[in-house]
Amino acid sequence: GENVEQHPSTLSVQEGDSAVIKCTYSDSASNYFPWYKQELGKGPQLIIDIRSNVGEKKDQRIAVTLNKTAKHFSLHITETQPEDSAVYFCATSGGGNKLTFGTGTQLKVEL
Amino acid sequence: NAGVTQTPKFQVLKTGQSMTLQCAQDMNHNSMYWYRQDPGMGLRLIYYSASEGTTDKGEVPNGYNVSRLNKREFSLRLESAAPSQTSVYFCASSESGRAEAFFGQGTRLTVV
Repeated sequence: GENVEQHPSTLSVQEGDSAVIKCTYSDSASNYFPWYKQELGKGPQLIIDIRSNVGEKKDQRIAVTLNKTAKHFSLHITETQPEDSAVYFCATSGGGNKLTFGTGTQLKVEL
Repeated sequence: NAGVTQTPKFQVLKTGQSMTLQCAQDMNHNSMYWYRQDPGMGLRLIYYSASEGTTDKGEVPNGYNVSRLNKREFSLRLESAAPSQTSVYFCASSESGRAEAFFGQGTRLTVV
């Protein structure tokens, strides 16, 4: 089955700096790559996603890049703010409905 | 529009007790899922239902059963709870053929 590795497990940045979280996957059939944000005590919420026919996608301060050849994709958050502090999960899907998740990154934005 | 609603939010069980976690969605989604979240392990799929009347095992189904009661509701049952089932359980739903999943707020279950 699919294996998704996510790094780093914890990330601390100063407010205003950029944050990058990276994921690698094993299944070459994967074609959908979402990122979820989970705030304390809440369920994961989809923040951005990318499909395999696109290399990069941006939405205001967040962006996702995909390298299908190398089987990795990354989440970039620019101009980080305290409200960006949360756990972030990457995931993949190979065309069906099921998602395989990474192990999560605890992002802390310090003032 | 509530999205995905889970009940209860918290539960403590004794080893061997049984319970059912309830989930309902109001987005008219065909597909529903149950995940468990454990520290350092991300979210792992327990069972899913691609459409009303069908259920399939996910990555970690042992010790659980599910029922897709109707299009809106998907329940998860623990017949004889074990301490290893202490976890946070999330229900999610998505449209047919699409993997964009919407999650509930979770149920924090402790088995002592």
